[in-house]
Amino acid sequence: DAGVIQSPRHEVTEMGQEVTLRCKPISGHDYLFWYRQTMMRGLELLIYFNNNVPIDDSGMPEDRFSAKMPNASFSTLKIQPSEPRDSAVYFCASSSEQVFPTEAFFGQGTRLTVV
Amino acid sequence: QQQVKQSPQSLIVQKGGISIINCAYENTAFDYFPWYQQFPGKGPALLIAIRPDVSEKKEGRFTISFNKSAKQFSLHIMDSQPGDSATYFCAARNNAGNMLTFGGGTRLMVKP
Repeated sequence: DAGVIQSPRHEVTEMGQEVTLRCKPISGHDYLFWYRQTMMRGLELLIYFNNNVPIDDSGMPEDRFSAKMPNASFSTLKIQPSEPRDSAVYFCASSSEQVFPTEAFFGQGTRLTVV
Repeated sequence: QQQVKQSPQSLIVQKGGISIINCAYENTAFDYFPWYQQFPGKGPALLIAIRPDVSEKKEGRFTISFNKSAKQFSLHIMDSQPGDSATYFCAARNNAGNMLTFGGGTRLMVKP
């Protein structure tokens, strides 16, 4: 298995533009998580899905952020419009409830820079 | 609200020394406590984990000590090596779901 795959690895965009981050979880995993990592706030959970259904989106900072999981093998995190303070590394992770103890497998992350 | 508090934020240790990172939590619903290791440019990866019915778990040079009554747990890295230089995150899982809450991270540097 190739692990969790995120794209793009790097994204530079201008303030006000729409940004879409993509994630392909590990096949068979029923949980998918989106995290944001910054120096100031560390690793923050933005939203997570179970069996493609959003369970907890309380970490999504504003209405400018939205996430979807149309099927078990694909999820997107969209920021519209983007702002400089959204600059961070965004991680996607997946795990399986069928395996305990739970291990969350992280992708390599997308480094977003909003200028 | 930070549910898992981690200290120190940064740590410098000489090669061969012991690295100690501490975490504390409040939520008694946490039922699983992993530690993740992150190298620059990579995502965090599971290093070692413990369940609250065990007070200590050792894997090679890495040991987790768990104090349930104090709601504290720590990571000890024995014989620290330059290759251990990374950011370490403690985490806790809520038994009501599969969600992990992470500590703020500790940047470890092991000097040769």
